[in-house]
Amino acid sequence: AQSVTQPDIHITVSEGASLELRCNYSYGATPYLFWYVQSPGQGLQLLLKYFSGDTLVQGIKGFEAEFKRSQSSFNLRKPSVHWSDAAEYFCAVGAGKGRRALTFGSGTRLQVQP
Amino acid sequence: EPEVTQTPSHQVTQMGQEVILRCVPISNHLYFYWYRQILGQKVEFLVSFYNNEISEKSEIFDDQFSVERPDGSNFTLKIRSTKLEDSAMYFCASSEGGGTVGNQPQHFGDGTRLSIL
Repeated sequence: AQSVTQPDIHITVSEGASLELRCNYSYGATPYLFWYVQSPGQGLQLLLKYFSGDTLVQGIKGFEAEFKRSQSSFNLRKPSVHWSDAAEYFCAVGAGKGRRALTFGSGTRLQVQP
Repeated sequence: EPEVTQTPSHQVTQMGQEVILRCVPISNHLYFYWYRQILGQKVEFLVSFYNNEISEKSEIFDDQFSVERPDGSNFTLKIRSTKLEDSAMYFCASSEGGGTVGNQPQHFGDGTRLSIL
């Protein structure tokens, strides 16, 4: 069965600083990978996804993520963080092969300091 | 942009009572899902539904749970006899038909917070 690990429970960055949120997955084949963001009181909003092709994917709100098969990682990055980026970020993996259930990581809460 | 809508936003229920959580998926979507997130824990998959039947379910989705698409727009999750441990945020999601989980991503609602007393 697939699994997702987000090693950082809580990260604080200054506004304007760069950001990298870590995600490691475990899955036997090429996975489908997603990053979702959850603002307080809101649902999960899809930031970006990877399922094939270019390993660097661009998402909404200036986010990008890079799939590294050798490291089983799919880290999320943003060059310059805005105060409105403060939220919880979830990495998720889909198994494919006709299955649609997503397996989520435990999330990383991002705090942005002025 | 089309949204998945869930009602109510917060449901308080006595233990042992039945509860129905409601969702209106995006109108042209054909796959529907329920996930839950117990406070402080991961988002967990419960069930997926396609073509009026369950297509996949997790171990969590036992006989106490059921799903239904009672009409052309609603998708419901019923918990027959609630337990304290059912307290969680329940998210509904939907995705387009065809393709794979990779190129047909799931769109989530804002969730229903279920509190069992």
